[in-house]
Amino acid sequence: DTGVSQDPRHKITKRGQNVTFRCDPISEHNRLYWYRQTLGQGPEFLTYFQNEAQLEKSRLLSDRFSAERPKGSFSTLEIQRTEQGDSAMYLCASSFGQGVIKNIQYFGAGTRLSVL
Amino acid sequence: AQRVTQPEKLLSVFKGAPVELKCNYSYSGSPELFWYVQYSRQRLQLLLRHISRESIKGFTADLNKGETSFHLKKPFAQEEDSAMYYCALRPNAGGTSYGKLTFGQGTILTVHP
Repeated sequence: DTGVSQDPRHKITKRGQNVTFRCDPISEHNRLYWYRQTLGQGPEFLTYFQNEAQLEKSRLLSDRFSAERPKGSFSTLEIQRTEQGDSAMYLCASSFGQGVIKNIQYFGAGTRLSVL
Repeated sequence: AQRVTQPEKLLSVFKGAPVELKCNYSYSGSPELFWYVQYSRQRLQLLLRHISRESIKGFTADLNKGETSFHLKKPFAQEEDSAMYYCALRPNAGGTSYGKLTFGQGTILTVHP
């Protein structure tokens, strides 16, 4: 499968624990996005990377959330001290873009987080 | 700020009937509009984008800037069209949006045999 890959697919954790998700984008894509989707809602933007630089973060991304893309390839999203409200599907998307050229975003299957 | 509204949470039609999924948006600049679809147990995938002006799987959508709408239409629905449909917007110009998508809440389409 050469699409966007996310790991794990499901994560169950207890409140207060830390969790980390991984996203592997399509190999030639320089842009990577994280979105969060709660039940009955459309995906909401969390953060964006161009290569290794994190260029935009949503106000939804509290200080308990941190994302990295250390070598401009895969990305990780960490949530510290998880809360029940963090329960959601976390989606990763990637695209290739240069300057004002913004191509199609391809989505991964997502990581479903359940905080007990 | 941009906003996308899909007024119908659920839409049911019979096979062969026409279907229209509504999408309205608010954005002060020049938008690019998309329809994404998610079939059961599959990932979110692009169905069509307005700049392509093409028909995919029999679906079409026209951007109406006057009414700020981007409704998705198909003249004869098929059972395999049953899915969740999301309308999405991103700014078309440069600026600092970096291409992030703003999604509507989605419409679940069910096509009955």
